[in-house]
Amino acid sequence: ETGVTQTPRHLVMGMTNKKSLKCEQHLGHNAMYWYKQSAKKPLELMFVYSLEERVENNSVPSRFSPECPNSSHLFLHLHTLQPEDSALYLCASSQARGYEQYFGPGTRLTVT
Amino acid sequence: GESVGLHLPTLSVQEGDNSIINCAYSNSASDYFIWYKQESGKGPQFIIDIRSNMDKRQGQRVTVLLNKTVKHLSLQIAATQPGDSAVYFCAENRSNYGQNFVFGPGTRLSVLP
Repeated sequence: ETGVTQTPRHLVMGMTNKKSLKCEQHLGHNAMYWYKQSAKKPLELMFVYSLEERVENNSVPSRFSPECPNSSHLFLHLHTLQPEDSALYLCASSQARGYEQYFGPGTRLTVT
Repeated sequence: GESVGLHLPTLSVQEGDNSIINCAYSNSASDYFIWYKQESGKGPQFIIDIRSNMDKRQGQRVTVLLNKTVKHLSLQIAATQPGDSAVYFCAENRSNYGQNFVFGPGTRLSVLP
């Protein structure tokens, strides 16, 4: 695999479920990101990790919990989500913060 | 408030014609700009970038123009092809925001046969 991969590609979950999104980058980058993309809204930055350390949390509700075990992997743990959390969740990586970002294909999340 | 925005939400272009997609930004401190292309079912894909010390940068069939005086960015696609149909985003890097990119809402480009 090359580039940035995300699994699963589609996820349907109830409001009481716990699930996790996975992202893996094969580019040797040092920064990784989670974005939320909703219909009719610009991309919203959620979390930033640089060298496996969380450096930014953009006022994201605690029902979203990121984890970065190493520089190649990023997770987004989901718990007790709301229907308005339904969106495309995109992972990205970059050589370092401030450099161009490479995006994965996204996970289409539907909360029922 | 400060924002990155696109003038046109949709753009329809005849195949073979040139396309111009525009973007306005409001922070004069922004020093790095990127255009991304997002096709249906895919994540955004890097097209071309430009730094604030340049006015123009060319790639393969694409040109980005930066007008710092009026805080305007444009993406020109030459000889538009059906495969160019996608949503195009501009992204602005504001160094005083911790080097995070701020994305515009996007413009949907439709190429007509």
